[in-house]
Amino acid sequence: DTGVSQDPRHKITKRGQNVTFRCDPISEHNRLYWYRQTLGQGPEFLTYFQNEAQLEKSRLLSDRFSAERPKGSFSTLEIQRTEQGDSAMYLCASSLARASGIYNEQFFGPGTRLTVL
Amino acid sequence: ILNVEQSPQSLHVQEGDSTNFTCSFPSSNFYALHWYRWETAKSPEALFVMTLNGDEKKKGRISATLNTKEGYSYLYIKGSQPEDSATYLCAPCETSGSRLTFGEGTQLTVNP
Repeated sequence: DTGVSQDPRHKITKRGQNVTFRCDPISEHNRLYWYRQTLGQGPEFLTYFQNEAQLEKSRLLSDRFSAERPKGSFSTLEIQRTEQGDSAMYLCASSLARASGIYNEQFFGPGTRLTVL
Repeated sequence: ILNVEQSPQSLHVQEGDSTNFTCSFPSSNFYALHWYRWETAKSPEALFVMTLNGDEKKKGRISATLNTKEGYSYLYIKGSQPEDSATYLCAPCETSGSRLTFGEGTQLTVNP
């Protein structure tokens, strides 16, 4: 399967614990995005990378959240000191940024569902 | 931050019915509009990307239109089938490859 993969698919943790999610984008895709979706809402943008550079962060991404893409391939999203409000589906997407005028479609992974007790 | 609205929030139809949803978005700074279908326990699946005013796209029984001047897009499903049951999300973006701003989605249930 050459799609976007995410691990784990489900995570249950206790409040105050740290969690880390991984995203493997489609091979050769140079852009990688993180979104969060809570019940009844559409996905909300968190951050995105072009290669290893983090180009944009949403104000939703508090100091407890950190994302990395160290070698420009897979990415990790870490949440420190989790709170119940962090319970959500965390989605990763990737795209291939090409020459201007050619649109970069985003392909999504299946998400990691986080439950904070 | 773009204000994206989708209607209706949910819809129940019978198999064979045709249906349509609306997505409205700010017409300023528009670059492209995406439609995704998201089935439970699966990845959101891209249906269409539209950029030009008046664009019409079709994929099987599903089609979409785009009006960038007034800031809306319609998604149509002809002859709905139970497998069409999913949440349909629209997301405009302001530049190529930038963040997508999603609406809350329309949850479609097709009863056999």
